[in-house]
Amino acid sequence: EPEVTQTPSHQVTQMGQEVILRCVPISNHLYFYWYRQILGQKVEFLVSFYNNEISEKSEIFDDQFSVERPDGSNFTLKIRSTKLEDSAMYFCASSENRGANTGELFFGEGSRLTVL
Amino acid sequence: SQKIEQNSEALNIQEGKTATLTCNYTNYSPAYLQWYRQDPGRGPVFLLLIRENEKEKRKERLKVTFDTTLKQSLFHITASQPADSATYLCALDSPGGYNKLIFGAGTRLAVHP
Repeated sequence: EPEVTQTPSHQVTQMGQEVILRCVPISNHLYFYWYRQILGQKVEFLVSFYNNEISEKSEIFDDQFSVERPDGSNFTLKIRSTKLEDSAMYFCASSENRGANTGELFFGEGSRLTVL
Repeated sequence: SQKIEQNSEALNIQEGKTATLTCNYTNYSPAYLQWYRQDPGRGPVFLLLIRENEKEKRKERLKVTFDTTLKQSLFHITASQPADSATYLCALDSPGGYNKLIFGAGTRLAVHP
């Protein structure tokens, strides 16, 4: 069964360092997303991406964050200068469509980011 | 802004019984509502989507209802099994339909043999 894959599964970094989280969405999907979940808290939307541009982003997704689809398969999230509060599980997701027309999201297993 | 309330306390039930989980929202009525399952340390897994014009949706032992008047969705698991033990998340779309989902905190279900 097709799945969303994410690397790395766990990354430990020093505050102020740049981090890139990588995702390979399901191949025929057109919509890509990043969500995050701080330990013990809700899953929160960060950004959605379609047709090589950001469709929507949340207040969390400030100038320190960026996303890119550098080739036909990868979808990356970059955090330029990490802060302690960026420590969370970051989930990549993809969907074939959006909204109520088969808008179900397929999530990866997540990348746990720990900022020291 | 939209607020979603799910039972914050864990739901403990006996194997074979029906589990009923509640999702209440406070603001606008979404075009659709989704339920996901999340196991510890794993990503959410999609279970069911119900549209605003649908009252009920079923999939095997799962049933979801959607009452836009009450601003509530109920999620039922019939003939529950220990393998159903997990956290169940309710998620609503935000206006615009870009799959900007707003998730509830989830309800942890524990099914005991």
